[in-house]
Amino acid sequence: QQQVKQSPQSLIVQKGGISIINCAYENTAFDYFPWYQQFPGKGPALLIAIRPDVSEKKEGRFTISFNKSAKQFSLHIMDSQPGDSATYFCAASIDQAGTALIFGKGTTLSVSS
Amino acid sequence: EPEVTQTPSHQVTQMGQEVILRCVPISNHLYFYWYRQILGQKVEFLVSFYNNEISEKSEIFDDQFSVERPDGSNFTLKIRSTKLEDSAMYFCASTSTGFNEQFFGPGTRLTVL
Repeated sequence: QQQVKQSPQSLIVQKGGISIINCAYENTAFDYFPWYQQFPGKGPALLIAIRPDVSEKKEGRFTISFNKSAKQFSLHIMDSQPGDSATYFCAASIDQAGTALIFGKGTTLSVSS
Repeated sequence: EPEVTQTPSHQVTQMGQEVILRCVPISNHLYFYWYRQILGQKVEFLVSFYNNEISEKSEIFDDQFSVERPDGSNFTLKIRSTKLEDSAMYFCASTSTGFNEQFFGPGTRLTVL
C-alpha cells in the first residue's frame, strides 16, 4: 500500500517536444505529491508539487495533472530542452512535516537536440 | 538561497567499520530526514527526526543505524558496523513546519569495501 509506481523507466524526447511521466499510488491517505529532478551526482531537487484540492498545477514549462479517483498523477514538460535531461522522481506522502516521502523508481529523460 | 549541506561528499570505509555522515539542515527547519539511494535505484526513506526524537523510521533503519543532533546545526547518521550492502548515496533533507516540502542535500557517497 506504500508503493508508488512510475513509468516509463526511460524516455527520449526531441528538443521542443512534450515529455510525459506517469505515477500511480495506492495509499488513499496520501495528499502530497511532489516531483523531484536529479542530475548525476547531485541530490534530488524539488521541482513542483501538487495537493489533491486541485487537478492541475503549472509552473513555467512544468505541469502536474492529478486524478484523485484513479490515484494517478503525471508530470508534463512542455517545450523540452536538452538541459531538462535528468532523472525525474515522483513521490507521495501524507502532507505533514516529518513523514516519509515514498518515491517512484525514477524516469531517465534524455532530450535530444 | 539556503540549502542543505552534507559532508563528506565521498566516504570510503572497510566492512565492519563505523561511519558518521554529517548534515547541516536549512537553518530555520525543524524536521530532518535521512534517505539512501543505491546506485541506479530509487530514493528510500530511512528516518525522520524532530525535537530530538525519531518521528518515523523504515524497516531499513535497524539497530546498526542511529541519528543525532549533537548541536544546534548538525544532524548526523551513524552506521555502527558497515556492510557491503550499505554502499549507497545517503541524502539528508529538511523541512520547516506544517507541510512536507523536503529539501535535499547533495548527498554523501558511501563505499564499503
